[in-house]
Amino acid sequence: DIQMTQSPSSLSASVGDRVTITCRASQGIGNDLGWYQQKPGTAPKRLMYAASSLQNGVPSRFSGNRSGTEFTLTISSLQPEDFATYYCLQYNTFPLSFGGGTKVEIK
Amino acid sequence: EVQLVESGGGLVQPGGSLRLSCAASGFTLSTYWMTWVRQAPGKGLEWVANIKEDGSEKYYADSVKGRFTISRDNAKNSLYLQMDSLRAEETAVYYCVRGVGNDKWGQGTLVTVSS
Repeated sequence: DIQMTQSPSSLSASVGDRVTITCRASQGIGNDLGWYQQKPGTAPKRLMYAASSLQNGVPSRFSGNRSGTEFTLTISSLQPEDFATYYCLQYNTFPLSFGGGTKVEIK
Repeated sequence: EVQLVESGGGLVQPGGSLRLSCAASGFTLSTYWMTWVRQAPGKGLEWVANIKEDGSEKYYADSVKGRFTISRDNAKNSLYLQMDSLRAEETAVYYCVRGVGNDKWGQGTLVTVSS
């Protein structure tokens, strides 16, 4: 089974900061990775797919990158509506697996 | 507009059964793999099961294998999750999700396993 190690588990940042979240896969998954944003009491929303493709309607301050088995989600300039929990998901191989989540809080 | 609406959640005793349903609209269900994902209170997301477009392939998390059954009725635009021998630790919000890539999510239905 593929393990997804997500870091950090939480971070504090200010509006306007650049924020980077990382997921590392335990083996190769190609570009089969998505990023999701979840706000309290609501369902997750997909932000990125295929590691670096932006979901329709998602602001361009979000970007994704892959280097081997390491994947990053970057928010170039954090906005108030971006405070949430973020998850990665590998969908290359069953069983699918999520990262443990990163809670982005206001500093 | 794509919509996924889950139903069937509720309170069930440990060892009991529950059947979740997901009504799909705004897209052709028969052209998508479908997924169930769950989230225990205050915890992260956990993949539960997937089913192929025509139902010919099914995959399950080890934690639910042999107790949960995913199925679909494309003619009724519906996805199902039959959950048997439920455990207290399976208390969670269960989400119906479109595709293996999980692009669209329902609002979730809460399953509480407690005596």
